[in-house]
Amino acid sequence: QKEVEQDPGPLSVPEGAIVSLNCTYSNSAFQYFMWYRQYSRKGPELLMYTYSSGNKEDGRFTAQVDKSSKYISLFIRDSQPSDSATYLCAITYNFNKFYFGSGTKLNVKP
Amino acid sequence: DVKVTQSSRYLVKRTGEKVFLECVQDMDHENMFWYRQDPGLGLRLIYFSYDVKMKEKGDIPEGYSVSREKKERFSLILESASTNQTSMYLCASSPSGARGEKLFFGSGTQLSVL
Repeated sequence: QKEVEQDPGPLSVPEGAIVSLNCTYSNSAFQYFMWYRQYSRKGPELLMYTYSSGNKEDGRFTAQVDKSSKYISLFIRDSQPSDSATYLCAITYNFNKFYFGSGTKLNVKP
Repeated sequence: DVKVTQSSRYLVKRTGEKVFLECVQDMDHENMFWYRQDPGLGLRLIYFSYDVKMKEKGDIPEGYSVSREKKERFSLILESASTNQTSMYLCASSPSGARGEKLFFGSGTQLSVL
């Protein structure tokens, strides 16, 4: 069983839509949860970081962690064409070893 | 801004060749990582290093080795390249400790082994 599973997509939405991206993980010991965004032909960049359960908001982005269900989500409000990218969830115990989801490719149509 | 620089953007090699992928970071980070990224499989950790001359195997170390002689440089070596090593290779660095959740990635090296 993989440590983290991610909905593969691709996902295509109209501009202004609310986007929901999701991952599940296998081990309740994971404590740190991240979302990375990767534009075409670029390396991933950290978008959101959360520790433990709950919500964290940053502008149009909200990261949500439900440790009881081992489920993490990223919500994008008022999506823009510039949000078109691949989104990768990542989890870690201790910042030495990160486990990444396979990525969801998002296309926001103008 | 942190910069992680990978020596080549695209590389084409022949089966059996020894291949060197170089990565340099300019932010004095302790941790450095090598991942490969394949469609549908996400990022898989090959090796990481938490200090000069220190290295730890990741999830898929077979067929690879690494070298970290200086803090800013982490090299990935394919001892005898094979076609199943055709992939995007990503180097990353991060500070140690509580700020270590942020990995800084290079732009990647797309390696094709023919």
